[in-house]
Amino acid sequence: QVQLQESGPGLVKPSGTLSLTCAVSGGSISSSDWWTWVRQPPGKRLEWIGEIYHGGSTNYNPSLKSRVTISVDKSKNQFSLRLSSVTAADTAVYYCARAERSTPYTLHSWGQGTLVTVSS
Amino acid sequence: EIVLTQSPATLSLSPGERATLSCRASQSVSSYLAWYQQKPGQAPRLLIYDASNRATGIPARFSGSGSGTDFTLTISSLEPEDFAVYFCQQRINWPPTFGGGTKVEIK
Repeated sequence: QVQLQESGPGLVKPSGTLSLTCAVSGGSISSSDWWTWVRQPPGKRLEWIGEIYHGGSTNYNPSLKSRVTISVDKSKNQFSLRLSSVTAADTAVYYCARAERSTPYTLHSWGQGTLVTVSS
Repeated sequence: EIVLTQSPATLSLSPGERATLSCRASQSVSSYLAWYQQKPGQAPRLLIYDASNRATGIPARFSGSGSGTDFTLTISSLEPEDFAVYFCQQRINWPPTFGGGTKVEIK
């Protein structure tokens, strides 16, 4: 069973860059799955950030595309999220998740989530 | 972007009762709708995908129905562990979007 675990700073300064990593265990990041980032601001609904395939193909939410980079590190079996020029509006619980190739954009496995607060 | 509206926001029921949750889409999503369960401090869990298919390991008391713009998640007889927040998600259009959630609480 594939398990995912997010890690990274819980506090980021405004205008800075948010960086998170998702470690994948129980499976290979080089499988046919898509690796995804989703976030949930306090009191708001979940928002899809973007996804990556192990070959490097990415899809980003147009609302965040200019600030987002998702990358994969096959040697460490993990993938990462970078979000630049953050503001208080980027404060959220960030989840990494896995979508199977057979059911694109359906998230079969999730990490526990990590709260990132943007504040000086 | 497709907007998903869930109702009711909160559902107060007793164990053993039947729960009926609704998700309505702002435009047709065909059958490309999933349901997830989320408990406080835990990772969300996929329950139903493509409107009516139970995910691996999901008990038969969970069922999904609907197509187009109107969908329903039914829990036939609530178990104590079913009290949680449920949200729907569409995957027909990019970006995928989520509903606001329905909280099923103990009455």
